[in-house]
Amino acid sequence: ILNVEQSPQSLHVQEGDSTNFTCSFPSSNFYALHWYRWETAKSPEALFVMTLNGDEKKKGRISATLNTKEGYSYLYIKGSQPEDSATYLCARTGTASKLTFGTGTRLQVTL
Amino acid sequence: DGGITQSPKYLFRKEGQNVTLSCEQNLNHDAMYWYRQDPGQGLRLIYYSQIVNDFQKGDIAEGYSVSREKKESFPLTVTSAQKNPTAFYLCASSIATGGIPVTQYFGPGTRLLVL
Repeated sequence: ILNVEQSPQSLHVQEGDSTNFTCSFPSSNFYALHWYRWETAKSPEALFVMTLNGDEKKKGRISATLNTKEGYSYLYIKGSQPEDSATYLCARTGTASKLTFGTGTRLQVTL
Repeated sequence: DGGITQSPKYLFRKEGQNVTLSCEQNLNHDAMYWYRQDPGQGLRLIYYSQIVNDFQKGDIAEGYSVSREKKESFPLTVTSAQKNPTAFYLCASSIATGGIPVTQYFGPGTRLLVL
């Protein structure tokens, strides 16, 4: 994998469903993996930064895992709510300051 | 409230015209960044600055220029040399990286349209 790739591109779930997305990235020269949530008409908001293989982070109903050896990260949302509707971006740093972003997963949660 | 402001929200450019997008932060961050978003693509880095009076080209710097005369401000000029300027532009800032991964904080963005 040469670039940061996210799947699926979009996702439509019902309230209460649990869901997960994938971020794949080059595993060589890995430094950190970031997850952001970007709601419509708002600024992207940082969710997690992970650096070590096996890292797991949690924030409320949202959690993320990291596998640096195989180059992927999962983002999980438990019991999706309409306010979770947003685009979820992942970004990889190969150096301390430069982020390489994926194209995002757009999540829509309906009642 | 601490944060990042970008202005204007929408900007229209005529052919051959230079336009400047404003980015101001009151977070006391040393580093600032400019990204561009196009449909179906991830955010791409245009320029970044890790300290006042210093900046580096990102992945797509051609047709853009920046300055960093003050810590709080990092304006981006889209020059007439940028042949496809229509896009959504995001500014971000962070603490000095210092060899550790840092979170970048984003502004609300400016949408640039060519008339």
